[in-house]
Amino acid sequence: GQQVMQIPQYQHVQEGEDFTTYCNSSTTLSNIQWYKQRPGGHPVFLIQLVKSGEVKKQKRLTFQFGEAKKNSSLHITATQTTDVGTYFCAGWGGAQKLVFGQGTRLTINP
Amino acid sequence: NAGVTQTPKFQVLKTGQSMTLQCAQDMNHNSMYWYRQDPGMGLRLIYYSASEGTTDKGEVPNGYNVSRLNKREFSLRLESAAPSQTSVYFCASTAARGIQYFGAGTRLSVL
Repeated sequence: GQQVMQIPQYQHVQEGEDFTTYCNSSTTLSNIQWYKQRPGGHPVFLIQLVKSGEVKKQKRLTFQFGEAKKNSSLHITATQTTDVGTYFCAGWGGAQKLVFGQGTRLTINP
Repeated sequence: NAGVTQTPKFQVLKTGQSMTLQCAQDMNHNSMYWYRQDPGMGLRLIYYSASEGTTDKGEVPNGYNVSRLNKREFSLRLESAAPSQTSVYFCASTAARGIQYFGAGTRLSVL
């Protein structure tokens, strides 16, 4: 079945440093979604990318969807302590199932 | 707007006990899902219901049963709890654009 791999599993940065997480799918995706889960919380939708090569920005967050629609990345510029959490990518597989990557857990040293 | 509501928020069971986790959504979504998340791990799909009246197995269905009671409600039952089922359980529902809305979770410990 479809698999979505995400790296790195963990990332620790100093506040103010940049952060990037990468997502790769075993199959071509119709779209890709990104979610953020704060410690002790539940996943919350951030953004959806649909078009090949699409780039979207949300303040300090930049999301990219690869040309082949099999990979994606999330880049955070100048991290802040509010960015702490686990970031998940997810792609729709067959039969109404959203397949999640394993997540990248971001911790920040203030 | 309540969104997705899960009950209970916390539960402690003894091995062999049974319980039902409740989930309700008020967004008129067709599809609903149950996930489990172990410490430091990702989300694993247990069961899902693409529409009212249908349910299907996900990645880790063993030891669980589900009921899609109506369009709003989707329950998850543990018939005989095992320590390996200690986890955080999330219910989610899906909007037409495919965005998943999650409940706050149920933190379950099986002793």
